[in-house]
Amino acid sequence: AQTVTQSQPEMSVQEAETVTLSCTYDTSENNYYLFWYKQPPSRQMILVIRQEAYKQQNATENRFSVNFQKAAKSFSLKISDSQLGDTAMYFCALGRGSYQLTFGKGTKLSVIP
Amino acid sequence: SQTIHQWPATLVQPVGSPLSLECTVEGTSNPNLYWYRQAAGRGLQLLFYSVGIGQISSEVPQNLSASRPQDRQFILSSKKLLLSDSGFYLCAWNIQVNYGYTFGSGTRLTVV
Repeated sequence: AQTVTQSQPEMSVQEAETVTLSCTYDTSENNYYLFWYKQPPSRQMILVIRQEAYKQQNATENRFSVNFQKAAKSFSLKISDSQLGDTAMYFCALGRGSYQLTFGKGTKLSVIP
Repeated sequence: SQTIHQWPATLVQPVGSPLSLECTVEGTSNPNLYWYRQAAGRGLQLLFYSVGIGQISSEVPQNLSASRPQDRQFILSSKKLLLSDSGFYLCAWNIQVNYGYTFGSGTRLTVV
């Protein structure tokens, strides 16, 4: 069985600062994919960033970047220059095999003006 | 382009009443389809998934059921709602795991 753990239920950050959300996972597979989803107060789930396990280079999407440590099974999300619109629940997810994702329980991020 | 529609957006139903939530996908064929439930401020609980017409897998025993009468249509149903069925229901689809899911906009269900 595979698991995804987000150890920080809630976090806060000052506007314009940088924040890192943690995620660890466990899988016996060698080929898999990792994702961060954002769920703002509207509750629409939005894909923020994805990482293929076979790629050593960390994925980056504008102000969002990841620190992927395969040996440590760690996949943290860094948000730079935090904006009020980044206030949301963030879910880490692991995908392997044919189709299904396993989600963590989420981290609630509040950006403080 | 590929889109997913989920409705209704909000629903208030009395205990014991039936339920039908619908999800449709456009712009793709033979998608994998999923129903998730999310309690307030909590994580995602996978309820059902389907890899093809008439093929439904249940993850959690409950009084809910799912059906897939057409390739791109996924329906979540209940014959008699319980208070504990209240929550936020999300439909999602994908073709392969490498691109994750695309989610619908969700249905907020309140059972009173």
